[in-house]
This record gives sequence, C-alpha cells and structure tokens, in this order.
Amino acid sequence: GQQVMQIPQYQHVQEGEDFTTYCNSSTTLSNIQWYKQRPGGHPVFLIQLVKSGEVKKQKRLTFQFGEAKKNSSLHITATQTTDVGTYFCAVINAGNNRKLIWGLGTSLAVNP
Amino acid sequence: NAGVMQNPRHLVRRRGQEARLRCSPMKGHSHVYWYRQLPEEGLKFMVYLQKENIIDESGMPKERFSAEFPKEGPSILRIQQVVRGDSAAYFCASSPARDQPQHFGDGTRLSIL
Repeated sequence: GQQVMQIPQYQHVQEGEDFTTYCNSSTTLSNIQWYKQRPGGHPVFLIQLVKSGEVKKQKRLTFQFGEAKKNSSLHITATQTTDVGTYFCAVINAGNNRKLIWGLGTSLAVNP
Repeated sequence: NAGVMQNPRHLVRRRGQEARLRCSPMKGHSHVYWYRQLPEEGLKFMVYLQKENIIDESGMPKERFSAEFPKEGPSILRIQQVVRGDSAAYFCASSPARDQPQHFGDGTRLSIL
C-alpha cells in the first residue's frame, strides 16, 4: 500500500531558529495538503499543492512540492512560540483511488 | 457561517454503555470523515461518508463501531459496549468534494470509566 513518511517526528528549536518538516511518498502524488494542529486543538488546513515544483508562501511559512511530485516540505523561517503544534501532510495519489492518506505528523516545540 | 459542529465536546461513559457522537458538516459540504486520535499520536482515519452512503470504512473496527450520515440531520458515529481502549479524541471533518481540503470540528473527547 501507499506509504507516507514525515520526518522528523519531533523537533525542538529555539525561538528565532528555522524549522523544516518533510513529507515523502512512495508513489507519485496528485496533490498534497498541509494541516496544523495546536496542542489541544483540531487540525486546521494550511495549504494545498498541486503542480510539480510548486512553491507557495504564507508569511514565514514556505511550502514546496517536489519536481517528481513524490515529496514536499514545509519551512518556517524564524520560528515563534505561536508556531508550536503538530504539522501533518495529507496526500492523494495520482491513480484512480482518490483516497487521502495522512502522515503521522511532525511535532514542533519552540523554546522562548 | 458556521464551521463543522461536533457534540458533545466531552463524553464520559462507563464500560459497556453506548457512545453516540454527532457531527454537522459545514453548509454546502456533503462529504464527512471521522478520525480518531490518541494523545500525542497522529490522526487515524476511520470512515468516509457521503450523504446516506458509506464510501470507505477501511479504518473502522469490525465490531461495535458504526457510522451513518442520513439524508436529514447530522452524521453519527456510534460505539456500542464501550471499553477503556475506546478513550480518545474523535474528530469529524467535512469537505465539498472528495479530494478537497477538509474542515475539522473541535472534536469529541471520549472518556471511558
């Protein structure tokens, strides 16, 4: 079956440092979605990437879709304590099965 | 413009009782998804429904769990004869189409005594 790997599982940074999480698939993807879940909260949709090599920015967050459409990254510049939470990727493969497959998430802790 | 509404927010049941969790999707959304999440763990997909139809229930335990999304009213996740291991947060999400971004409710925290 399709595998979705998110790395790292946990990341601890000092406020102001950068942070990157990676999402890797064993198969070619149709699109990828990123979500953020704050501690005690519910997942919130951040962005969807569809095109090969696509790069999208939201303030300090940069999302990238790989050229081969098998991986993606989320980069946060100069982290703040408000960035704390778990970042999930969710992917849809390029085949006929349009099922959304979730990664296990990367938990980010930020020291003030 | 109400989002996804889940109730109750917290539910306490004794072992052997039934738990009924409700989810009203966002207006205009006919696709509903249920997830289960244990503390410090990821989201585990349970079931995907589209008005009156179960599309994918590959994540549902074979026994005691059922889900429905009737023509009128909210989607219901039903857990019969609950056990301690059913304690978790249950999230509902909805979307306007199958592969569109999902909007989540606040979840129901189920505790089994």
